[in-house]
Amino acid sequence: QVTLRESGPALVKPTQTLTLTCTFSGFSLSTSGMCVSWIRQPPGMALEWLAVIDYNDDKYYSTSLKTRLTISKDTSRNQVVLTMTNMGPLDTATYYCARLHYYETSGFDVWGQGTVVAVSS
Amino acid sequence: QSALTQPASVSGSPGQSITISCTGTSSDIGAYDYVSWYQQYPGRAPKLIIYDVTQRPSGISNRFSGSKSGNTASLTISGLQAEDEANYYCSSYTSSSTWVFGGGTSLTVL
Repeated sequence: QVTLRESGPALVKPTQTLTLTCTFSGFSLSTSGMCVSWIRQPPGMALEWLAVIDYNDDKYYSTSLKTRLTISKDTSRNQVVLTMTNMGPLDTATYYCARLHYYETSGFDVWGQGTVVAVSS
Repeated sequence: QSALTQPASVSGSPGQSITISCTGTSSDIGAYDYVSWYQQYPGRAPKLIIYDVTQRPSGISNRFSGSKSGNTASLTISGLQAEDEANYYCSSYTSSSTWVFGGGTSLTVL
């Protein structure tokens, strides 16, 4: 069974750096074609794609947030970490990690439950 | 990358069919057959219901179908049921090796 679980702080202060961890099971990020992505959703708003890391350690970022994001993986621990610098109130959102296996599907087929992050002083 | 364009809301009666459009550009929807659709209930994570424009994951009802023409993709739900009332999002791979989502469509079953 494939599962993903997000973890991180529920509250961060403006200008701080957010670090989120996605811990997954049921698949390996060393498998050819496998990717893990981060996606966020502000309250009452649409999904926004943030970043992806693949089995080959290739990384791609949202154009609008590229300068603030860093994605990394620890294959041995089955974890993907996202950092976002200079947090502001507009970054308040539910943050999801999701799996994509691009040799099988172009869609994110398994999602974590999401972790809520509020930005406030 | 700009978000894909979806209608904010659609509605239909039980048993009817509805279609949700998703308009992008020649750099995303028009460039690849990598369009996916997600169903999301309030307070829940999104669920993949269509991938690669027309494919359904295992366990997804065949009442859900997808198509694409040019820069516009569509999701059709036939035989509308009360349980279909949810938010729906489209997504596409882009020529920048990134993904982009639509603004979301709220489906109301009357």
